Amino acid sequence: QQQVKQSPQSLIVQKGGISIINCAYENTAFDYFPWYQQFPGKGPALLIAIRPDVSEKKEGRFTISFNKSAKQFSLHIMDSQPGDSATYFCAATESNFGNEKLTFGTGTRLTIIP
Amino acid sequence: EAQVTQNPRYLITVTGKKLTVTCSQNMNHEYMSWYRQDPGLGLRQIYYSMNVEVTDKGDVPEGYKVSRKEKRNFPLILESPSPNQTSLYFCASSLRVAGGVYEQYFGPGTRLTVT
Repeated sequence: QQQVKQSPQSLIVQKGGISIINCAYENTAFDYFPWYQQFPGKGPALLIAIRPDVSEKKEGRFTISFNKSAKQFSLHIMDSQPGDSATYFCAATESNFGNEKLTFGTGTRLTIIP
Repeated sequence: EAQVTQNPRYLITVTGKKLTVTCSQNMNHEYMSWYRQDPGLGLRQIYYSMNVEVTDKGDVPEGYKVSRKEKRNFPLILESPSPNQTSLYFCASSLRVAGGVYEQYFGPGTRLTVT
């Protein structure tokens, strides 16, 4: 059972455009939602993360929007650049002093075209 | 440089031949874990360790073993590899940050092929 559903599977955006990746979760105990960026041949790297007590978090061109009632969150990349081409994973976890397991979405391959 | 290292990066082996993938971190993190990444499935946790000599199963532990005898090392052992363990493996270590959450840092990955 996929606890974190991610869409789309792949996304092509023109340079300068806005890239939007969506995730939905089922477990209401999740209380930390990071996004990871992965380039070919590399491990995932933490990009930005949010707690459910805020509806939006912005870091540079990257913004997470969070809708607790709908159990959805999304990543927006403004002014998308070719260097943003990568696979993006949303994830969720419970910060309950136990297993800090990340439950990942299935990933979105983003391609920014000139 | 703070990092998580894995060895080997690439491995091709045959069914039933025991192998070990090493993982080491130089950040003095207590929490470490192993994930496997498969197309269309994202990353799934295999095993994790909260500290030295403390390990437990993740979501997909079958066919794997781990040990944590030192804080910095967390090897993944496949006693009798099978083709369905062909995958991309990532080790991660975690830093507890403000707010009670852990930021996980991933190694570069080990691509394993079992024939």
